[in-house]
Amino acid sequence: QLQLQESGSGLVKPSQTLFLTCAVSGGSISSGGYSWSWIRQPPGKGLEWIGYIYHSGSTFYNPSLESRVTISVDRSKNQFSLKLSSVTAADTAVYFCTRGLDYMDVWGIGTTVTVSS
Amino acid sequence: DIQMTQSPSTLSASVGDRVTITCRASQSISSWLAWYQQKPGKAPKLLIYKASSLESGVPLRFSGSGSGTEFTLTISSLQPDDFATYYCQQYNSHLYTFGQGTKLEIK
Repeated sequence: QLQLQESGSGLVKPSQTLFLTCAVSGGSISSGGYSWSWIRQPPGKGLEWIGYIYHSGSTFYNPSLESRVTISVDRSKNQFSLKLSSVTAADTAVYFCTRGLDYMDVWGIGTTVTVSS
Repeated sequence: DIQMTQSPSTLSASVGDRVTITCRASQSISSWLAWYQQKPGKAPKLLIYKASSLESGVPLRFSGSGSGTEFTLTISSLQPDDFATYYCQQYNSHLYTFGQGTKLEIK
């Protein structure tokens, strides 16, 4: 069964760059037809889609974050990554990675990122 | 961008009740809508995709309907495990959006 596990910087200083990785196990990230997304949830708030990378390598980002976001895939390591630059306190959230077929059928457990000096 | 609006924001109900949550899209999304359930401290769980298709393993008391701009999630007979927050998500375009969530509370 496919599993996803987020990892990365839990505490980031304002104006710096957030890096997160999602390790895929129980299946290949190169399996055709899937998209690999990042979703976040600020404390006490709802879900916000950040962006995704398609199996072809195409990327799509939330317009509100597009200037700061990069999602990439490392097929050799069976993982994908999120880079979010120039972070502020508003980027404090639980970050989830997901597999999708447009809807998201497999989720990681999430990782908390706090932006603070 | 396509905006998704859920109602109500909070719903109080009792075990055994039939409940309905509504999700409205700012423009037509055909049937490209999913519903998720989230419990505190956990990742969301897919319940319904393509507006009315039940994800494998999800109890039959959950059902979804609608197309175009108006959609509903119905739980036919609430169970204690169903008290959670529910989100809709559109995937009509390459830019996904979620509704703001509906918290289902015990009355």
